[in-house]
Amino acid sequence: GQNIDQPTEMTATEGAIVQINCTYQTSGFNGLFWYQQHAGEAPTFLSYNVLDGLEEKGRFSSFLSRSKGYSYLLLKELQMKDSASYLCAVPYQAGTALIFGKGTTLSVSS
Amino acid sequence: DADVTQTPRNRITKTGKRIMLECSQTKGHDRMYWYRQDPGLGLRLIYYSFDVKDINKGEISDGYSVSRQAQAKFSLSLESAIPNQTALYFCATSDPRASNEQFFGPGTRLTVL
Repeated sequence: GQNIDQPTEMTATEGAIVQINCTYQTSGFNGLFWYQQHAGEAPTFLSYNVLDGLEEKGRFSSFLSRSKGYSYLLLKELQMKDSASYLCAVPYQAGTALIFGKGTTLSVSS
Repeated sequence: DADVTQTPRNRITKTGKRIMLECSQTKGHDRMYWYRQDPGLGLRLIYYSFDVKDINKGEISDGYSVSRQAQAKFSLSLESAIPNQTALYFCATSDPRASNEQFFGPGTRLTVL
């Protein structure tokens, strides 16, 4: 089967760095995704990792370790607008449909 | 702009009623998906389609059916709605030839009384 775990909630302050962890169990690994979802809105794509290592994209970076079944999303220089849910996802049955974790709600305060 | 749209955006219905949620896209993508989102449970895959006449069950397809009438349209039906189908429903599309990203519609909030 497929299983994804991530923390339910996190809090941080403006300007800080926060790391959101995700562990997964899946057969036929075919990449790991991170999406951002603001309250009441649709999810939007942040990153996709298929190889081990860190991928940086502006203030956001995503890391993958396939051997450990582990990923994290790193958010630097936090801003109030980063308050959102962050969803970790893996492909369903190694295809292109996705299985999502329950999401991590990040609250950024001033 | 190429887009994914969902109708209706909000719907209140009664137990036992048949209801259809519609999704249209102008992105020219072959692949389309239906998810539902419940507080504390995240997004769960209901059905997906890789092309017209291709339909695949997801994690939680019981109580739902879909129709892919054209490349641009993918409809989700609840044959006999029940209260635990109250949720936020999202449609999404993708084109794996271009990227792995899925593009989501704005969602339909469905309440079954």
